This record gives sequence, structure tokens and C-alpha cells, in this order.
Amino acid sequence: NAGVTQTPKFRILKIGQSMTLQCTQDMNHNYMYWYRQDPGMGLKLIYYSVGAGITDKGEVPNGYNVSRSTTEDFPLRLELAAPSQTSVYFCASSPGQGAGLVFGPGTRLTVT
Amino acid sequence: GIQVEQSPPDLILQEGANSTLRCNFSDSVNNLQWFHQNPWGQLINLFYIPSGTKQNGRLSATTVATERYSLLYISSSQTTDSGVYFCAVDRNDMRFGAGTRLTVKP
Repeated sequence: NAGVTQTPKFRILKIGQSMTLQCTQDMNHNYMYWYRQDPGMGLKLIYYSVGAGITDKGEVPNGYNVSRSTTEDFPLRLELAAPSQTSVYFCASSPGQGAGLVFGPGTRLTVT
Repeated sequence: GIQVEQSPPDLILQEGANSTLRCNFSDSVNNLQWFHQNPWGQLINLFYIPSGTKQNGRLSATTVATERYSLLYISSSQTTDSGVYFCAVDRNDMRFGAGTRLTVKP
């Protein structure tokens, strides 16, 4: 069981570039989440999904897009990177409401 | 949206001391969890505790859902307890508080 895996671990983007952060879980969890954590701050919810084909916006969705075509994968897309998107991005999953979240190791993104 | 407030924001302890961390939330929730983020950034789920009391070794947590707060107790603290402690609440999605940064000195 690999749990929640995220790639890449680190990335530097130039302003205006696009990229996709990958997240995969092998626990057959229905719920998946994307959070960002700015330095010294808490986690802010970007998007979440309660199952394949279903996604919903969180607190800070602007500048991001997601898709959930399979139970295992929940990629996060940045279309036009901006310095304000410099952050650590965490993906998490859970079996459903009423169950603990399992976090991936995070992706550290810098936009310059 | 629901507001989650944690206190204190920072806490410095001597090894062996006890501490209580608090999480207040502004509305009824389906779920409440406590997490520890270690100095390397890894997030570990400590408790799923929408109500009642749970214990796991030196850590315990109590949630009083009717009064909209949860407490995390750390007894006989160790340097490895250092890091940031977050509570997160679930109404329709999981929202995090700003965290309590705990430093345990040897």
C-alpha cells in the first residue's frame, strides 16, 4: 500500500506557465482533496471530490482546475502560474465523511 | 463558511510538561479531526473525534459538539511532539484552523 503519492516533489515555474500536479491513492478512497499551505499558515482547501466524476470548489479555487476520471487519480491543473501560487500543495484522501484524512507528502511549487 | 479558530498560536514547553490545545468552530459539524505536522512537513492524522473523548498513549482529545469546541491534551511532552497541530472540521468539506505551533525543549 503506497497510500497517497504526489508528483513532482518540487517544481519551479515561470509566470504564465502551466503544469499539472499529480495525486494518486491506492486505498480505494472515494473522497479526495487538494490543499495549499503558504509558509507559516494553515491549509486552505482548493478543490475536493466525493467520487469519480464529481468535483467541488473549496475556499480558494481561483487559478486551478481539477478532474476526477478515476477513483485513484485527482490531478490539479494550474493554467497560468502566478507568484501568488507559490506554496506547498497537499493531496489527501479518505474513505468518506466520518473517516480520517490520509495526506500525501506534498509538492513544493515556486513561481518566479 | 465555517470558521475554525485554534489557540494558542504558539506554545513553548519544557520536556515532560503537559499542555492543552483548543479548537473552536462556528457551526455544527459532521466530523472533527486533529493532525500533527512534523518539522519535515508531513501531516499525520491523530484523532477522528466528532464528539466524546479518545486517548492514544500520551495524547487524548475531547470534543463537545454542542458547545462547538475540541481540546487536544498532550501529557509528558517529548521533543518529538514538536511541530504544528491542526484541527479540521467537516461540514460539507474539510476546513482547517491556522494551527498551534508547539516547541518542546529538552
